[in-house]
Amino acid sequence: AQSVTQPDIHITVSEGASLELRCNYSYGATPYLFWYVQSPGQGLQLLLKYFSGDTLVQGIKGFEAEFKRSQSSFNLRKPSVHWSDAAEYFCAVGAIAGNMLTFGGGTRLMVKP
Amino acid sequence: NAGVTQTPKFQVLKTGQSMTLQCAQDMNHEYMSWYRQDPGMGLRLIHYSVGAGITDQGEVPNGYNVSRSTTEDFPLRLLSAAPSQTSVYFCASSRTATSSRYEQYFGPGTRLTVT
Repeated sequence: AQSVTQPDIHITVSEGASLELRCNYSYGATPYLFWYVQSPGQGLQLLLKYFSGDTLVQGIKGFEAEFKRSQSSFNLRKPSVHWSDAAEYFCAVGAIAGNMLTFGGGTRLMVKP
Repeated sequence: NAGVTQTPKFQVLKTGQSMTLQCAQDMNHEYMSWYRQDPGMGLRLIHYSVGAGITDQGEVPNGYNVSRSTTEDFPLRLLSAAPSQTSVYFCASSRTATSSRYEQYFGPGTRLTVT
């Protein structure tokens, strides 16, 4: 069965600092991978996705993520964090057949001024 | 397009009561699903539907019932509410049921408290 682990429950960074959120997955084949963001009181919004090809994918709001097959990881990065990035971030793996997503537990990002 | 809409936004129930959470989408999406979100556990799939008249169980289906009589609507029924069902519920839809390549669009959520 597929699974996703986000090892960091909470992360605090200063505004302007760089950010990396970790995601490790377990899946029998090359998976479809996603990062979603949830602002307080809101639904989830897709930041970026990986299906195949270039292992570095660009998303919205200046985020990027790198797929590393050897490490079963799909870490999310941003070079300079803004206060508006404070939110909860979810990594998810998608089935290749069918449309089921399996989510990690989430990482709550706080941004210090 | 309104996207995915959910009602109500908040609900408080007493143990044993029943209720229906509503979900509708206006994008003619084939795939619809219900998740519950609990702290530290991410989102877990309750039920999903691959088209009108076709539903199936997800990871945590017990205590919930669904049906899909139209493409647009996918209500979630709590038959006899329990405190363990206190959670935030999200409905999502996607263009196709055959692959997760296509973005899933999420509703704003329903916060349910069972006392």
